[in-house]
Amino acid sequence: AQSVTQLDSQVPVFEEAPVELRCNYSSSVSVYLFWYVQYPNQGLQLLLKYLSGSTLVKGINGFEAEFNKSQTSFHLRKPSVHISDTAEYFCAVSEAGANNLFFGTGTRLTVIP
Amino acid sequence: DAGVIQSPRHEVTEMGQEVTLRCKPISGHNSLFWYRQTMMRGLELLIYFNNNVPIDDSGMPEDRFSAKMPNASFSTLKIQPSEPRDSAVYFCASTTGLAADTQYFGPGTRLTVL
Repeated sequence: AQSVTQLDSQVPVFEEAPVELRCNYSSSVSVYLFWYVQYPNQGLQLLLKYLSGSTLVKGINGFEAEFNKSQTSFHLRKPSVHISDTAEYFCAVSEAGANNLFFGTGTRLTVIP
Repeated sequence: DAGVIQSPRHEVTEMGQEVTLRCKPISGHNSLFWYRQTMMRGLELLIYFNNNVPIDDSGMPEDRFSAKMPNASFSTLKIQPSEPRDSAVYFCASTTGLAADTQYFGPGTRLTVL
């Protein structure tokens, strides 16, 4: 079975500062990895996903994530955050070949002016 | 495309009443997922369908919950009888069914059971 751990439930950061949101997964099989974002009172939207190939994945809104197989991690980064990045971010994993996702508990990013 | 459509957006009901949540997936999508989101438990997968057939309902909390997908363009999640602990935001998501395809989420239904 797959599982996802998001170590930080809340991350406050000042505007224009860099941010890293951490995600670790466990699985006994090959996996696909995802980051979704949820803005207040909305559903989740895909930020980026890793399927195979290059371990550095670029997504929308200037976010990127790096897959590290040895550390079973898929941390999300942005070099300079904006007020509009304030949202909840979810890491998710699926077994390669499957289409159902297992979500982490989410990290609430708050960008401080 | 209008995206995934959920109705109602908000539902307030009294304990013991029946609640029906509705979802219209994106046209052409073959997989549909129902999730529940609460502060305590986060985002939980309740059930998902492929080609209108329930594939995994292990996340359905108990017999009070049931879900149907009578055709490719409509699904319902029913709670009967409802209890205060069912209060949550319920999301529907759809995808083409291909492995690793993006799940597209609806705006959610905020359910409050008094």
